[in-house]
Amino acid sequence: GDSVTQMEGPVTLSEEAFLTINCTYTATGYPSLFWYVQYPGEGLQLLLKATKADDKGSNKGFEATYRKETTSFHLEKGSVQVSDSAVYFCALSDRSGAGSYQLTFGKGTKLSVIP
Amino acid sequence: NAGVTQTPKFRVLKTGQSMTLLCAQDMNHEYMYWYRQDPGMGLRLIHYSVGEGTTAKGEVPDGYNVSRLKKQNFLLGLESAAPSQTSVYFCASRAAGFEAFFGQGTRLTVV
Repeated sequence: GDSVTQMEGPVTLSEEAFLTINCTYTATGYPSLFWYVQYPGEGLQLLLKATKADDKGSNKGFEATYRKETTSFHLEKGSVQVSDSAVYFCALSDRSGAGSYQLTFGKGTKLSVIP
Repeated sequence: NAGVTQTPKFRVLKTGQSMTLLCAQDMNHEYMYWYRQDPGMGLRLIHYSVGEGTTAKGEVPDGYNVSRLKKQNFLLGLESAAPSQTSVYFCASRAAGFEAFFGQGTRLTVV
């Protein structure tokens, strides 16, 4: 079945540091890829997405590029802020509907940014 | 626009008790999902529905039942709660090919 592997945390960075969270996937088809963010005590929110190879998703200074050849979708941000402290989830979803569009998640990476 | 609303937000149950978690969405989405979130495990799919009147098992369905009698509502039931069901439960909905929207979660403790 489909699976997502992301680097385990926790990750602690100083404000303005560069962030990379690695994510690789295994899928039987050609999935869409997502990054979701969960702030303390809240549900998950979509951060960015990419639906085909070489697409770059971006939002709030975060970026990730869909790399089909390496089956990866690494999340990056050039300069993190304290407000970016959260848990980040990489996820994939089938695009055809055969899997009922269900999301398969990685285990999450907790990011803490210190002033 | 409320999006996805889960009730209750918190609950403590004794072992063997039953309860129902309600998920309501106002976006006319066909697809609805129930996940559980446990430390170090990410989110795991319990059950899902592809439309009114339909349900299907996900990755970890044992001990849970679901119903989707109305398109906007997806109910998750625990018939006889066990401590292993202590978790945070999230409901999500989506339209085909679009992003999924999540509720705020229900924190359930079974003692």
